[in-house]
Amino acid sequence: EPEVTQTPSHQVTQMGQEVILRCVPISNHLYFYWYRQILGQKVEFLVSFYNNEISEKSEIFDDQFSVERPDGSNFTLKIRSTKLEDSAMYFCASSVGTASSYNEQFFGPGTRLTVL
Amino acid sequence: RKEVEQDPGPFNVPEGATVAFNCTYSNSASQSFFWYRQDCRKEPKLLMSVYSSGNEDGRFTAQLNRASQYISLLIRDSKLSDSATYLCVVNEQAGTALIFGKGTTLSVSS
Repeated sequence: EPEVTQTPSHQVTQMGQEVILRCVPISNHLYFYWYRQILGQKVEFLVSFYNNEISEKSEIFDDQFSVERPDGSNFTLKIRSTKLEDSAMYFCASSVGTASSYNEQFFGPGTRLTVL
Repeated sequence: RKEVEQDPGPFNVPEGATVAFNCTYSNSASQSFFWYRQDCRKEPKLLMSVYSSGNEDGRFTAQLNRASQYISLLIRDSKLSDSATYLCVVNEQAGTALIFGKGTTLSVSS
């Protein structure tokens, strides 16, 4: 069964460093998303991406964050200068399209980001 | 502000019990409704979509009341493997943000 994959599974970085989290969405999906979950808190939406541009972003997704689809398979989230409060699990998700029957968002296993 | 509220629990029940979870959402423009399941330190996985007429999938029954902006999940004949956190999720339209509740934790014991 096709699945969303993410690398690395765990990333440790120093405050102020740049990190890039990588995702490979399911191959025939057109919509891509990033969510994060701080330990003990709810899953929060960051950004959605369609047709090579951001289609929606939350207030969390400030200038420190950027997304890119550098090739036909990868979808990346970059955090320019990490802060302690960026420590969280970051989930990538993808969905087929906009018809109601294709609304399900499939989640990857996540990247645990620890900022020291 | 778009919010989804759930009773955090935990719900501790014996095997075979019936348990019900409730959820309310604030955004009246929400069009799609889901229950996701999340195991500890894992990704959310879709348990079932929730339809206006209510729907059932084996031991799981979901109900939606749009007027009250209320969603429920009923689990019958609980199994040990049902132990997880159950996330109530709403969506304004396909291709947009999923709004998650904080989740209700279920622990089923033998």
